[in-house]
Amino acid sequence: DTGVSQNPRHKITKRGQNVTFRCDPISEHNRLYWYRQTLGQGPEFLTYFQNEAQLEKSRLLSDRFSAERPKGSFSTLEIQRTEQGDSAMYLCASSFPVPSDIQYFGAGTRLSVL
Amino acid sequence: SQQGEEDPQALSIQEGENATMNCSYKTSINNLQWYRQNSGRGLVHLILIRSNEREKHSGRLRVTLDTSKKSSSLLITASRAADTASYFCATDGRSNTGKLIFGQGTTLQVKP
Repeated sequence: DTGVSQNPRHKITKRGQNVTFRCDPISEHNRLYWYRQTLGQGPEFLTYFQNEAQLEKSRLLSDRFSAERPKGSFSTLEIQRTEQGDSAMYLCASSFPVPSDIQYFGAGTRLSVL
Repeated sequence: SQQGEEDPQALSIQEGENATMNCSYKTSINNLQWYRQNSGRGLVHLILIRSNEREKHSGRLRVTLDTSKKSSSLLITASRAADTASYFCATDGRSNTGKLIFGQGTTLQVKP
């Protein structure tokens, strides 16, 4: 499969626990994005990487959230001390800016915080 | 917060009919894209229209863009049951990072 891969697909956790999600982008794509989507809403931008550098973070990304992209390949998104309000679908997308800005999305990780 | 609004929020039609969805946005853009999302899945890119374009076609899809009104429409002709999904417009807000700002989406149901 040469698409964007996200793991796990589903995560159920108890409030206060830490969780980590992984995203494997399309191999030649240097741009990687994380979005969060709640039920009935469109995705909201969380953060952006160009290669290994995290170049932009949304104010939605509180101190409990951290993202990394070591060596400019896969990326991880960690949420510490989860809260019920963190329950959402977390989507990863990658792109190669030339010749277009089309983003390719993974199937997402659905997080449920009990 | 979301970039803009989509209208209608939900649309139900019979197979073979056309479906039209509208999107409004707030800031200047380089391009506008439409994505489709099947229930519980990731988004799939449908079509991209640049700010200097007014209309674009791709198969059964027709997209228009009016930058003076900051609005776009997506027309799906001869709809099929398989077109049942949520449709989102997304703009880049003239960002040089390529991050997308999505609308709230239109949920389309095509009845066989």
